[in-house]
Amino acid sequence: DGGITQSPKYLFRKEGQNVTLSCEQNLNHDAMYWYRQDPGQGLRLIYYSQIVNDFQKGDIAEGYSVSREKKESFPLTVTSAQKNPTAFYLCASIGLAANNEQFFGPGTRLTVL
Amino acid sequence: ILNVEQSPQSLHVQEGDSTNFTCSFPSSNFYALHWYRWETAKSPEALFVMTLNGDEKKKGRISATLNTKEGYSYLYIKGSQPEDSATYLCALSDSNYQLIWGAGTKLIIKP
Repeated sequence: DGGITQSPKYLFRKEGQNVTLSCEQNLNHDAMYWYRQDPGQGLRLIYYSQIVNDFQKGDIAEGYSVSREKKESFPLTVTSAQKNPTAFYLCASIGLAANNEQFFGPGTRLTVL
Repeated sequence: ILNVEQSPQSLHVQEGDSTNFTCSFPSSNFYALHWYRWETAKSPEALFVMTLNGDEKKKGRISATLNTKEGYSYLYIKGSQPEDSATYLCALSDSNYQLIWGAGTKLIIKP
């Protein structure tokens, strides 16, 4: 089945540790996105990539890093520099020929202990 | 900078009743308006994409309208059912495929 997978579903991290969230899609989509969701707030864009080996900062990129070495994969690293990393993280992708409809993964809930 | 407001923040509706909620925005300078449904423990699912003033879209009991001149979109649900319980997200996209999201309206259907 075509879709977007994120792993793990739940992740616990100690303060000061870096952690990487996985996002893979087999939809042959060009663009991929990482969002963060906090209670009572809309989805906020962390990073996005419209093409392999290129990515752009979103509104809240500080403390995060990404890579796009393959079209199918867009991992997000939450670094120790991110001051408040506990949140729900959603990955999304879109085919640039489509009508801007984004497809989402199931999300990863990160908790910093 | 686009700012997307959704109201109300949450809504309790009796099963069988119809309901609607709002997405408002200050500017018509966007490419498309999107509605998504986000059920607990699932991924957000696209409902509608609208681009033109006066657009109306319908999917079963759910419909949406767009008024770019006055800066709002309504989502209507006719004859609410328990499976309609979800958070409904509105987003605006620009020509670079970037989406600006509202905080959502959480809909709870009471049996």
